[in-house]
Amino acid sequence: QLQLQESGPGLVKPSETLSLTCTVSGDSISGSSYYWGWIRQPPGKGLEWIGNIYYNGGAYYTPSLKSRVTIAIDTSKRQFSLDLISVTAADTAIYYCARWFALGGTKYFDYWGQGTLVTVSS
Amino acid sequence: QMAQSPSSLSASVGDRVTITCQASQDINNFLNWYQHKPGKVPKLLIYDASRLGTEVPSRFSASGSGRHFTFTISSLQAEDIATYYCQQYASLLTFGGGTKVGIK
Repeated sequence: QLQLQESGPGLVKPSETLSLTCTVSGDSISGSSYYWGWIRQPPGKGLEWIGNIYYNGGAYYTPSLKSRVTIAIDTSKRQFSLDLISVTAADTAIYYCARWFALGGTKYFDYWGQGTLVTVSS
Repeated sequence: QMAQSPSSLSASVGDRVTITCQASQDINNFLNWYQHKPGKVPKLLIYDASRLGTEVPSRFSASGSGRHFTFTISSLQAEDIATYYCQQYASLLTFGGGTKVGIK
């Protein structure tokens, strides 16, 4: 059974960098039909997709965060990561990592981590 | 952009519940629906606009293509209390704003 687990600081100061890691277990991170993604949910608000990455390192991001986000992958460690620079209180959210299944025209998030709350505050 | 409505609704157990999503452009059938219960992770209910996910009860259904999409719970159950999201993937990925479903 595939499992994903987010890890990283729960508190980040304004203007600093938010860094999270997602560790994948139970299946390969290098499967050709899968991407790996980050999604967040600010308190009281809806889900927001941040970006996805393929095992070869190819990544794509939501336009509103593209200038501040980097997603990277380390297949040897079965991990992928999220860096978000210059954070503000608006970046306070539960951050989820998830697997994006992609085969032909069919694509969806099928497995999710439990989520980790990151608060931006001094 | 995905315009989802209503943002919230309350219905009685056994009622039929309908949620709509409208895309700002033609997205073919590149649309999914997720259920998100408080304290849980989102769960895929519908993919390819109308295909039922694994082990998803048959009271959930969806339809649509192009710009207009509908999600239906044919007979609302107490365990269906959740927020429901549409998500398009024709152009990058975007979630709708969500519909919070409650019981009257």
